[in-house]
Amino acid sequence: QVQLVQSGGGVVQPGRSLRLSCAVSGFPFSSYDMHWVRQAPGKGLEWVAVISYDGSNPYYGDSVKGRFTISRDNSKSTLYLQMNSLRADDTAVYYCAREFSKVTLFHWGQGTLVTVSS
Amino acid sequence: QSALTQPPSASGSPGQSVTISCTRTNSDVGGYKDVSWYQQHPGKAPKVMIYEDNKRPSGVPHRFSGSRSGNTASLTVSGLQADDEADYYCYSYAGSNTWLFGGGTKLTVL
Repeated sequence: QVQLVQSGGGVVQPGRSLRLSCAVSGFPFSSYDMHWVRQAPGKGLEWVAVISYDGSNPYYGDSVKGRFTISRDNSKSTLYLQMNSLRADDTAVYYCAREFSKVTLFHWGQGTLVTVSS
Repeated sequence: QSALTQPPSASGSPGQSVTISCTRTNSDVGGYKDVSWYQQHPGKAPKVMIYEDNKRPSGVPHRFSGSRSGNTASLTVSGLQADDEADYYCYSYAGSNTWLFGGGTKLTVL
């Protein structure tokens, strides 16, 4: 059974950092590209970042480029999102997701809420 | 850069069919124009309903179907049921190693 279990959310002050984790089981983690997607309160889904199966190629959306870093540890089957210089508009539920084909996110984590507030 | 435009709302009565569109603008994405569709109930993670334009994952009812003509993809829900009431998002490649979602459509079952 495929499982993506997220952790690491919470309340953080503007300008501070936070790291999200996504622990995966039930499929060969090292074979798949992985994504982060977020959803601000009451808003739609926003693609955040992707990392290739081997960790060699990370890419970011414009709103997080230069502040967020996506990474993975294939030995631990875990995906990460390091979020620095957080702003109020980064407040959202963050989801990790497994890519199936280039345009499909087949399995999703349960989501974790990040609130940026002083 | 590409954008995916969806109507903000759609509705239908139980048993009826409804179609939600997703139109791509600025389509310089090479061959990666395929679209997937996601259903999201309040407080829940999205769930893939259609992928690669018209493929249905195992476990998704046959009432859900997808198609694409040029730069416009469509999701059709036939035989509407109360549990189909949710937000629906299209998703595709945007070019330059980035992806994007449509703005979402709130489907109401009357």
